[in-house]
Amino acid sequence: SQQGEEDPQALSIQEGENATMNCSYKTSINNLQWYRQNSGRGLVHLILIRSNEREKHSGRLRVTLDTSKKSSSLLITASRAADTASYFCATVYNQGGKLIFGQGTELSVKP
Amino acid sequence: DTEVTQTPKHLVMGMTNKKSLKCEQHMGHRAMYWYKQKAKKPPELMFVYSYEKLSINESVPSRFSPECPNSSLLNLHLHALQPEDSALYLCASSQVSSEARRNTEAFFGQGTRLTVV
Repeated sequence: SQQGEEDPQALSIQEGENATMNCSYKTSINNLQWYRQNSGRGLVHLILIRSNEREKHSGRLRVTLDTSKKSSSLLITASRAADTASYFCATVYNQGGKLIFGQGTELSVKP
Repeated sequence: DTEVTQTPKHLVMGMTNKKSLKCEQHMGHRAMYWYKQKAKKPPELMFVYSYEKLSINESVPSRFSPECPNSSLLNLHLHALQPEDSALYLCASSQVSSEARRNTEAFFGQGTRLTVV
C-alpha cells in the first residue's frame, strides 16, 4: 500500500498547548498536504508543502518536510477546542498523480 | 465559488435498489474524484476523472459505476450494493495534476452518508 503512517493515532491536549502530528510515506512524492476533517464531514485543505520545501507556515500551523526520512510533521500552536478534529496527511506521488491519505490523527482539545 | 456540492447528504438503500450520488463543482477543475471512507479510517480512492475521462479505477467492484457527464458534474451510480458498502462517499475536485504538479490542492464536498440495508 502507498498509504503512509501517522502518529500518534490519537492525541488529547488542553487548550493553549501545542499539538504535533507526524506522517511518514513510502516513495518519492511531488508534494505533501495536510487536511482536517470534523466528525463525519468533508475534508478541508490546510496546507501544502512541495517536495523542494523544508518548512511552511500558515497562521498557527507549521509544517515540516524531510524527504530524506520520508516524513512530515504538523504543529498546531496555541490549540483551541475548535481544533478538535481528525488530521490527515496526503501525498501526491510522482507516478499517477493520485492523492493518497495517511491513517490520520484524532486530536481532542479540552477546554 | 470554492464549493463542491454533494447530494444527497444521507441515503438509505436496500440491496436491490439502484440509486445515484451526485457531485457538482464550478471551480473549473478538470480532475474529479470519488473516495470511500469508513468510520475512523482514511478516505480510500475509488475513481479519478481527468478531462471527463476515467483515468483511474482502483479495482472498484462493478456495482459502483461512475459517470462524468460534463466538466462540472460527477455521478456515482449504485446497484446491488452490500451492507459492507455502507460508508461516507466523498467527492473532490482539483486542477489536473499534470498541468499544476506543484499545486494540486483538492476541494472536498461534505459527503453522502450511505447506509445499505
